[in-house]
Amino acid sequence: GEDVEQSLFLSVREGDSSVINCTYTDSSSTYLYWYKQEPGAGLQLLTYIFSNMDMKQDQRLTVLLNKKDKHLSLRIADTQTGDSAIYFCAESFSGNTGKLIFGQGTTLQVKP
Amino acid sequence: NAGVTQTPKFRVLKTGQSMTLLCAQDMNHEYMYWYRQDPGMGLRLIHYSVGEGTTAKGEVPDGYNVSRLKKQNFLLGLESAAPSQTSVYFCASNLRADTQYFGPGTRLTVL
Repeated sequence: GEDVEQSLFLSVREGDSSVINCTYTDSSSTYLYWYKQEPGAGLQLLTYIFSNMDMKQDQRLTVLLNKKDKHLSLRIADTQTGDSAIYFCAESFSGNTGKLIFGQGTTLQVKP
Repeated sequence: NAGVTQTPKFRVLKTGQSMTLLCAQDMNHEYMYWYRQDPGMGLRLIHYSVGEGTTAKGEVPDGYNVSRLKKQNFLLGLESAAPSQTSVYFCASNLRADTQYFGPGTRLTVL
């Protein structure tokens, strides 16, 4: 079945790099996403990667996809206090429903 | 563009009461979704729609009904609210089966 797992908590110091990890079970996914949720807010799309790609870089964000191990990671360079939030990975599948399967979310705490 | 909007933002219900949550999008998106978010569980899909007049069940549909009479609106109904439906509800939409855009959420408490 479809399942997405994330570690629940990560704490880093301001200026360090953060790496948030995600594993998934269904290899038929088409896109994999990273969303950010700040307290009391909705989900903001950060970046996404097509399943036939290995890496995508977007300013401070780097997404790595290891299809063999079904592992997705999000690296945030030069982490700032404004990056403190919950980060969700999600996957979508081929077909015409567009539904997403989400992980539980990783709370990133950035200490000054 | 307002994007995806949700009404109301907050609501408190008593067990057994009914209510309807409204989601509206002004992006001419075909696909719309209702999720619930509970602590430590991420988002779970309740119902979704792939076009006006169509609806389908998601992961956790029990206790909810939906309607998509107009393309821009997706309504989520609770006929007889239960404390287990206390949650934050998010609506999302997209044009095709790719990137979803989320509304700000509705925080519902059932006493």
